Amino acid sequence: EILMTQSPATLSVSPRERVTLSCRASQSVRSHLAWYQQKPGQAPRLLIYGASTRAPGIPARFSGSGSGTEFTLTISSLQSEDFAVYYCQQYNNWPQDTFGQGTRLDFK
Amino acid sequence: EVQLLQSGGGLAQPGGSLRLSCSASGFTFNAYAMTWVRQAPGKGLEWVSSISTSGGDTYHADSVKGRFTISRDNFKNTLYLNMNSLRVEDTATYYCAQTTVVAPGWSWGQGTPVTVSS
Repeated sequence: EILMTQSPATLSVSPRERVTLSCRASQSVRSHLAWYQQKPGQAPRLLIYGASTRAPGIPARFSGSGSGTEFTLTISSLQSEDFAVYYCQQYNNWPQDTFGQGTRLDFK
Repeated sequence: EVQLLQSGGGLAQPGGSLRLSCSASGFTFNAYAMTWVRQAPGKGLEWVSSISTSGGDTYHADSVKGRFTISRDNFKNTLYLNMNSLRVEDTATYYCAQTTVVAPGWSWGQGTPVTVSS
């Protein structure tokens, strides 16, 4: 099983800050990496697939980078609606997908 | 617009059974694999089961293998998860998801809670 490790677990941030979230895979997943946003009481929403491609309707302030084992999700200027939990997911050996444990963005 | 409308779930006793349904609209259902993902209270996301477009290939996580069965009815545009021999640790919100070649969770259902308790 490919283990996905996200850091930090929680990040206290202020609106308009630039935010960088990290995700590391225990072995190479090439570019088969997705990022999701989840707000309380809601289903996850796909943000990024293929490590760096924004899903339809996702604002340009969200960007993804990386390949192999190291990945990053960047929010260029945090908006109030971006406070949520963010998960990475590898799908290199679909269907044995695995998720990271999540990073929560809290209001500073 | 893609819509995945979930139903079923609720409260079951340990050892009991439940069936979840996920009714799809807004896309060609039989052209997409489908997936179930669950989330225990206050925890992260866990892949549960996936099924191919035809339903001929099914996959289950080790934690549910032999107890849960994923299936689909392409005439009814509906995905199912039959859950037997339920355990307390199966308590979670269960989500169905449209799976594409570029992302396992392209679109998601609203989630349905399952509680296993005596």
